[in-house]
Order: sequence, then structure tokens, then C-alpha cells
Amino acid sequence: TQLLEQSPQFLSIQEGENLTVYCNSSSVFSSLQWYRQEPGEGPVLLVTVVTGGEVKKLKRLTFQFGDARKDSSLHITAAQPGDTGLYLCAGHGSSNTGKLIFGQGTTLQVKP
Amino acid sequence: GAGVSQSPRYKVAKRGQDVALRCDPISGHVSLFWYQQALGQGPEFLTYFQNEAQLDKSGLPSDRFFAERPEGSVSTLKIQRTQQEDSAVYLCASSTTGFSGYTFGSGTRLTVV
Repeated sequence: TQLLEQSPQFLSIQEGENLTVYCNSSSVFSSLQWYRQEPGEGPVLLVTVVTGGEVKKLKRLTFQFGDARKDSSLHITAAQPGDTGLYLCAGHGSSNTGKLIFGQGTTLQVKP
Repeated sequence: GAGVSQSPRYKVAKRGQDVALRCDPISGHVSLFWYQQALGQGPEFLTYFQNEAQLDKSGLPSDRFFAERPEGSVSTLKIQRTQQEDSAVYLCASSTTGFSGYTFGSGTRLTVV
């Protein structure tokens, strides 16, 4: 069974601080996606990483895919209250249906 | 429509009642997924459709759960004889292919009392 473990589960920081969220697995994934979810809404896709070692930047967010394609990280620089939310990593399972396996999520609270 | 639409947004059901949750995917999206999400947790896969064909239903927790997409667009997730453990947010997502990024709806929050 393919599993994705996220850490930390909860993070509460002050505005302006930096943070990193980790997503780890013992399985190889062909790609990993990161989503952000706000209360009462569905997850919104932030980025897809495909190549081992790949780094993608989205404004203050930096996403990295591990060389072995078993792990990924999300780094936020100078966090803002608007970054508050549930961050989810997800990878395609071993089936060919496109089914996504999600990590348990990291709840981020950024205090002004 | 511009996004994935789910209805109702909230549903309160008495234990033992049957419920039906509706999903209107983005027009033209071939793939449709249903997920179940507990509070503060990641979504868990329930079932997958490619057009009208249900290709994977391995995540449905029991035979009380049934999903259909008869014309390859709108989908309905039905839960029979609801139980308290069915209380969760049910998310629908669609995509152009199974391997592109999903667009999620806002979900239906089901509370069984």
C-alpha cells in the first residue's frame, strides 16, 4: 500500500517567519502534487512536480521533489496570514486510474 | 459551468436514512472522482469514473455506498441506511484526464445524527 506521511501535522507561526512542510513515502511516485485547502472549500492545486530533483517556485512558495521521487517538500518564505490553510501532498497510486493518494495534511496558522 | 458544483452543501440525516449527493463536473472533463474527508485530514479515495464507466470503486467503505454517472457528466453518490461514522465531507473532483490536476468542488458536509 502506498502511503504519504506529512510533517508536521500542525504549525502555528508568526507573520514573516519561514517554514517547511515535508511529505515522505517509502514508495516511488511518478509525480507529486501539492494542494491548499481553506475551511469549507475543496483543495486547490498549487503545483505538480514530475522529475526527481525538480524545484518549482510559486511566488514565496518553493516546492522540491526528491531525487528518488519518494519525497517532497514545500517551503514558504516570509509567511503571511493569507497562507493559513491545510496543505496536502498527493501522488498517483500504482493503478492506472489516476487515483490520487493524499497525505494527512499540514494545518498552517499564520498569526498577524 | 466554470467549476465543479456539488449539492447540497450541507446535509443532516437521521441514522438509517438514505442520502444522495450530487456532483456537476466541469463540462468536458472525462474523469470524475469522489473522495471522503474527515475533519483536518487528507481526502480518501472512494471511486473513479471515466465518462460513464466506473473503473475503480475500491475505496467505497461498504455496500451501503453506491455511485453512478449514467450519461458521463453528472454523478450521484448514494449512501443507504446512513450511520454516524458516515459523517464527513464528501468531495467530488474532475479532470481532463486521470493524470492531470484535479479541480475539486466545495464538498458536501454530511452529518448523521
